[in-house]
Amino acid sequence: ELKVEQNPLFLSMQEGKNYTIYCNYSTTSDRLYWYRQDPGKSLESLFVLLSNGAVKQEGRLMASLDTKARLSTLHITAAVHDLSATYFCAVKYNDMRFGAGTRLTVKP
Amino acid sequence: NAGVTQTPKFQVLKTGQSMTLQCAQDMNHNSMYWYRQDPGMGLRLIYYSASEGTTDKGEVPNGYNVSRLNKREFSLRLESAAPSQTSVYFCASRTWGTGYSYGYTFGSGTRLTVV
Repeated sequence: ELKVEQNPLFLSMQEGKNYTIYCNYSTTSDRLYWYRQDPGKSLESLFVLLSNGAVKQEGRLMASLDTKARLSTLHITAAVHDLSATYFCAVKYNDMRFGAGTRLTVKP
Repeated sequence: NAGVTQTPKFQVLKTGQSMTLQCAQDMNHNSMYWYRQDPGMGLRLIYYSASEGTTDKGEVPNGYNVSRLNKREFSLRLESAAPSQTSVYFCASRTWGTGYSYGYTFGSGTRLTVV
């Protein structure tokens, strides 16, 4: 049974700082996804990582995938308030399994 | 281009009542999914339909039924609602032929409270 673990679950950052969110999963998979969810809203696709060593960047967010370590990271560079949201990783299994989410708050 | 449309957006039920959550997509996607979201637990799959005419159980199917009415529509039914089914429900869809390359498209969610 696939388990997907994210940490931290809660993250409070100062604007301008860097931080990394981690996503570990327990069973081999070569597809990993990152989603963003604003309060009361639906999930928005951020990144799709399709192979070992894949790295994708969009603005201040960069995601990477290490399938051998079963680990993906979402790195935040020079955080700004607009990045405040909950971030989910999800792993392709028979379907898609989600982590519990990381609630990010960026403070001025 | 509406994407994935869910109705209703909010619903309050009494214990034991039944209701159907509706989901429709206009992207010609083959597969459709129902998830529930509870605090601290991410999204958990209830049921999915890999293609028109097929449905399968996910992680948490108990207390729910589904119908894939046609390629566009996938409904979720609660026959006898219980307080434990208080949650936010999301419908999602995806196309084939891309090896899961694009992930899912999600609807805006239904916030259900069972009292």
